[in-house]
Amino acid sequence: DTAVSQTPKYLVTQMGNDKSIKCEQNLGHDTMYWYKQDSKKFLKIMFSYNNKELIINETVPNRFSPKSPDKAHLNLHINSLELGDSAVYFCASSRGQSYGYTFGSGTRLTVV
Amino acid sequence: GQQVMQIPQYQHVQEGEDFTTYCNSSTTLSNIQWYKQRPGGHPVFLIQLVKSGEVKKQKRLTFQFGEAKKNSSLHITATQTTDVGTYFCAGPTGSGNTGKLIFGQGTTLQVKP
Repeated sequence: DTAVSQTPKYLVTQMGNDKSIKCEQNLGHDTMYWYKQDSKKFLKIMFSYNNKELIINETVPNRFSPKSPDKAHLNLHINSLELGDSAVYFCASSRGQSYGYTFGSGTRLTVV
Repeated sequence: GQQVMQIPQYQHVQEGEDFTTYCNSSTTLSNIQWYKQRPGGHPVFLIQLVKSGEVKKQKRLTFQFGEAKKNSSLHITATQTTDVGTYFCAGPTGSGNTGKLIFGQGTTLQVKP
């Protein structure tokens, strides 16, 4: 059983398009996150949800909109994609930031 | 804001040599976590250290949390090709479930067989 599953694994799209990435966890964790990993492998938090409520919204362009329909799901919708959005996006879950995170396998987004 | 710095950024070693990566935080941490990301993979949680001066071992890996709880290290004894990957330290900000983990830039380890 996959603990944190993300789809799709790869996403190649043209500039200006809108795309979504889905994430689901079956660990019963209360908190879910979206992280962006750039080409230098730097992991930067984008959003955090706790029990469906938005807790953290870093300085992310408002073209990025997370949605959490329930505490097991956290999706990421991106409008008007730009070249600079190309990166690997990781979903993660945990019991809280004082506990280890479980990451999904990542979505490699390439904007052309 | 809070920063977590890691050195070195890259390390190439011959198989069998030892390896150490160092992590420094600009603020005192309640805990420090370590993750490993294999090439093409995702970060995997290795361990969490909580107490000042704590030392934990996992087979050939030794993790240490500094006395001031602002720095940490990961030491691998007699590296193997399976140790290849990027090692990240991470420290929390905030408290309870309202905070977030700040990750270091990572140390990428290459092991030559």
